[in-house]
Amino acid sequence: DAKTTQPNSMESNEEEPVHLPCNHSTISGTDYIHWYRQLPSQGPEYVIHGLTSNVNNRMASLAIAEDRKSSTLILHRATLRDAAVYYCILRDPGTASKLTFGTGTRLQVTL
Amino acid sequence: ETGVTQSPTHLIKTRGQQVTLRCSSQSGHNTVSWYQQALGQGPQFIFQYYREEENGRGNFPPRFSGLQFPNYSSELNVNALELDDSALYLCASSWGGPQTYNEQFFGPGTRLTVL
Repeated sequence: DAKTTQPNSMESNEEEPVHLPCNHSTISGTDYIHWYRQLPSQGPEYVIHGLTSNVNNRMASLAIAEDRKSSTLILHRATLRDAAVYYCILRDPGTASKLTFGTGTRLQVTL
Repeated sequence: ETGVTQSPTHLIKTRGQQVTLRCSSQSGHNTVSWYQQALGQGPQFIFQYYREEENGRGNFPPRFSGLQFPNYSSELNVNALELDDSALYLCASSWGGPQTYNEQFFGPGTRLTVL
């Protein structure tokens, strides 16, 4: 499985944008980039995914570098409810159904 | 639409015992995956069930086994429990089986403590 590297933790103020980085220098051409997050005392939940182009949904935006070796999850206005561990995951066609989690980035949001 | 449910919520066992954890898939989902999450770590893939057969296994010994039923619900069985088996066990359901990138929906997990 291709590996991802994320900072262990980040902090943000409420109502401000948050940029969560992920490095995946060994990504292959067919790997999709997925993001999940895990709120305290809950199972992970899907946030967003993409292949090459930037993606937007109601929760977040995903910016993918042109060489695809890195990506950034963008929360446009962080709220206290966004405090969670965010996982960047690569999914390849051979093992697409399996999610390989790293240790993720713990996001703290303060007033 | 009912989400993924798991039972029990918490469980305490002693070394050497056996345990069965249960998972009900989200309505319409035919694939179930199980993950183990140790404290402070990300979830680790145990195995996946599709069409009542195991399809893909992570780095877990054979004493971890499972079942999927015709209604797509699933069980995770762990024999000969060890202290290191203490963890949060997560079940995730999805549609489409292996080789798909579909979103996985997770349950709240079962917290297993082995003494």
